[in-house]
Amino acid sequence: GAVVSQHPSRVICKSGTSVKIECRSLDFQATTMFWYRQFPKQSLMLMATSNEGSKATYEQGVEKDKFLINHASLTLSTLTVTSAHPEDSSFYICSASFKQGLASGNTIYFGEGSWLTVV
Amino acid sequence: SQQGEEDPQALSIQEGENATMNCSYKTSINNLQWYRQNSGRGLVHLILIRSNEREKHSGRLRVTLDTSKKSSSLLITASRAADTASYFCAGFTGGGNKLTFGTGTQLKVEL
Repeated sequence: GAVVSQHPSRVICKSGTSVKIECRSLDFQATTMFWYRQFPKQSLMLMATSNEGSKATYEQGVEKDKFLINHASLTLSTLTVTSAHPEDSSFYICSASFKQGLASGNTIYFGEGSWLTVV
Repeated sequence: SQQGEEDPQALSIQEGENATMNCSYKTSINNLQWYRQNSGRGLVHLILIRSNEREKHSGRLRVTLDTSKKSSSLLITASRAADTASYFCAGFTGGGNKLTFGTGTQLKVEL
């Protein structure tokens, strides 16, 4: 079964509104979660790294005021797309890692992704 | 930015044939991984090869790693229509804290 749950799987929102996507680790405490964005037929682009209890670290070119990331607990991180525009329409994927699971060679787990369509 | 480049970008083969995908990366990475993604879905981890390994097998999958050339390959033997998906290599960068992906190969296996 899934170890990382992402919700909603699909969302349509009106231009100018905000939408929140949740990422939950189900069977473990995830000290670090990652948010990716993927356009059709393209690869995953890392947007930000989210550490529990601290501010997210954003990749170059990602607007932190537009893509608000909150990692309030060890099992939940949220991505809020503020003042959404049609060009924000994309597939957003989160992933979560164990505390010891980064470069030590352990795998990280991905959510099923969320399709955002801004109309 | 993409850490790795994969080729081919797209590959179409007949069922039963072998599929080989290559990944070349720019900077040193730790523990290269391969993932599979069905269209519009999340990622499935396939295999991890550590920096001190040269080859690894898992079922019909064979992965090689050449750290001197900064490249890796994924071979799927005796392909099936169900193998149709996108395949990505990925490695940890940024001091081991970030998993970044290659450009991906779209594999289509036809009956």
